[in-house]
This record gives sequence, C-alpha cells and structure tokens, in this order.
Amino acid sequence: QQQVKQSPQSLIVQKGGISIINCAYENTAFDYFPWYQQFPGKGPALLIAIRPDVSEKKEGRFTISFNKSAKQFSLHIMDSQPGDSATYFCAARAGTYKYIFGTGTRLKVLA
Amino acid sequence: GAVVSQHPSWVICKSGTSVKIECRSLDFQATTMFWYRQFPKQSLMLMATSNEGSKATYEQGVEKDKFLINHASLTLSTLTVTSAHPEDSSFYICSATALTSGRGETQYFGPGTRLLVL
Repeated sequence: QQQVKQSPQSLIVQKGGISIINCAYENTAFDYFPWYQQFPGKGPALLIAIRPDVSEKKEGRFTISFNKSAKQFSLHIMDSQPGDSATYFCAARAGTYKYIFGTGTRLKVLA
Repeated sequence: GAVVSQHPSWVICKSGTSVKIECRSLDFQATTMFWYRQFPKQSLMLMATSNEGSKATYEQGVEKDKFLINHASLTLSTLTVTSAHPEDSSFYICSATALTSGRGETQYFGPGTRLLVL
C-alpha cells in the first residue's frame, strides 16, 4: 500500500517530442505528489508537484496530470530536449514529510 | 530557493573504518532531515528521518548502530557509517523540508555523497 509504481523504466524520445511518464499509487492518504529530476552523480531536484485536489498543473514545458479516482498521475514533458535526458522519479507524501519514491524512469532525448 | 549541501561529495575508505557525512541546510532551518541510500540505477531508499534534538527514526531493516545519525542543530545533520564494509558502498543523499513560497512544503535534496569502501 505504501508503494508508488512508475512506468516505463526507460524511455527514448526524439527531440521536440512529448515524454510521458506514469505513476500509480494505492494509499489514498497520500496528499502531495512531486516529480524529481536527477542527473548522474547528482541529487534529485524538484521539478513540479501537485496536490490531489487539482487535476492538472503546468510549469513551462512540464505538466502533471492527476486522476484521483484512478489513483494515477503522470508527467508530460513537451518539446523534449536533449538536456532533459535524466532519470525522473515520482513520489508521494505519506504522513508528515515522509516521501515514497517510484522506481525511476531513465529518459533519453535524441538530438 | 532552498539549498542543501553535503560534504564530502565523495569518499574512499578502508574496510573497518568509520565515515562521517554532513548535511547542511544553507538558507533555511530544518527541524527534520532525511537520509537516503541509492544504488546504481535504482530508486531512493529512505534510511532514516533525522529530528533536531531527538533520536532519529530508522526505517525497517536499517541498522541504527551501523548508521549513526545526529541532528545537532536546525541546519546540520550527520550520518556516520561505522565499521564500513564494501557492501556499504553506495550513494548517500540527504534532504530537508522547507516552506517555499508558491509551493508550500517542499523537500530539497543535497547533491549526494558517493562512498566507496575498499
């Protein structure tokens, strides 16, 4: 119940294309859903986050879509660029400040 | 934005020695910090929650005597890997929670510390 399932494990997208990463959860007590971007050898950096009372949030080229009834949320990267090549983690907050992370998606954007 | 630093960024040590990793919140106070471990191409595994002025809360399966955590101030938490062994080699990442304008409570990560035990 504490798991966050993330797919796909890896993703290859052409430059300018749309990258879509999906996550699903079981615990309805989760109350905050951030996405993190991690480059090799670096710590994760917060990209964008959403609360369950909102169905979509957009920041620049990054959009989170949230489906509360299906207990799913996804990250869309529009106009994907080679610089977006990184590993992306979804997460869900479980209780005070405790985060559960997805398994990660390695994105490669081809030039 | 909120910045979390870690020191050292990488460390190599001999088996049996102890290694201390520092995590600092540079421009905010953090009553709670977190320590994660990450194996290559895997997700982050929460090891423990570090609370300022009190004992850390360890996740199931994490040896508290092996991974000593001290949260001495509102801006500093340390992780000491005692009697390190090669299987302790990993990427250790800390994080701290800050209230960010427009985003509310947000968890910020340090750059990580790569530990290699020979």
